[in-house]
Amino acid sequence: AQTVTQSQPEMSVQEAETVTLSCTYDTSESNYYLFWYKQPPSRQMILVIRQEAYKQQNATENRFSVNFQKAAKSFSLKISDSQLGDTAMYFCAFMKDGAGSYQLTFGKGTKLSVIP
Amino acid sequence: DVKVTQSSRYLVKRTGEKVFLECVQDMDHENMFWYRQDPGLGLRLIYFSYDVKMKEKGDIPEGYSVSREKKERFSLILESASTNQTSMYLCASSPPRINYGYTFGSGTRLTVV
Repeated sequence: AQTVTQSQPEMSVQEAETVTLSCTYDTSESNYYLFWYKQPPSRQMILVIRQEAYKQQNATENRFSVNFQKAAKSFSLKISDSQLGDTAMYFCAFMKDGAGSYQLTFGKGTKLSVIP
Repeated sequence: DVKVTQSSRYLVKRTGEKVFLECVQDMDHENMFWYRQDPGLGLRLIYFSYDVKMKEKGDIPEGYSVSREKKERFSLILESASTNQTSMYLCASSPPRINYGYTFGSGTRLTVV
């Protein structure tokens, strides 16, 4: 079974600064996908960024980027130029590749507060 | 705009009641999921369905059942609600090739008193 660990229950960052959220995972699979989801106070879970394990290049989406270290099983999220709207719970998630694979396994989340 | 709609945002039920949580998606997705979200525990999968009338247990199915009679609708049923089922319930859907992740509903916060 896969496990996803987010070691930082809460973090804060000043507006316009950069913050990095940590995520590690444990799996014996060689092909898989990793995700970061954002859940603002409105509760709607929103996909932030996605990484395919077979790609060495780190994914980026505007101000959001990841540092994917496959050997270390690490998948951190960097938010640049933090904005007040980035205040949310952030969840790291894992999904193995292959037929019959349906389940996303989530970490416990990191609560990020952006301070004006 | 594609959507996953959960019928209730807040729900209060009494212990022992039969509770239905409804979820409807308009994206013609094959896969649908029910997760439970609790502080400090993250999201835990209760049940999922990869086709009409098909269902699979997730990590915490005890005390729950599901129904999927139509492709667009996936219902979570608490046969006899208990106070330890007080939680946030999130529904999600995805196409068959789900490596692009899920689309989530806005959640139902259920309180059992």
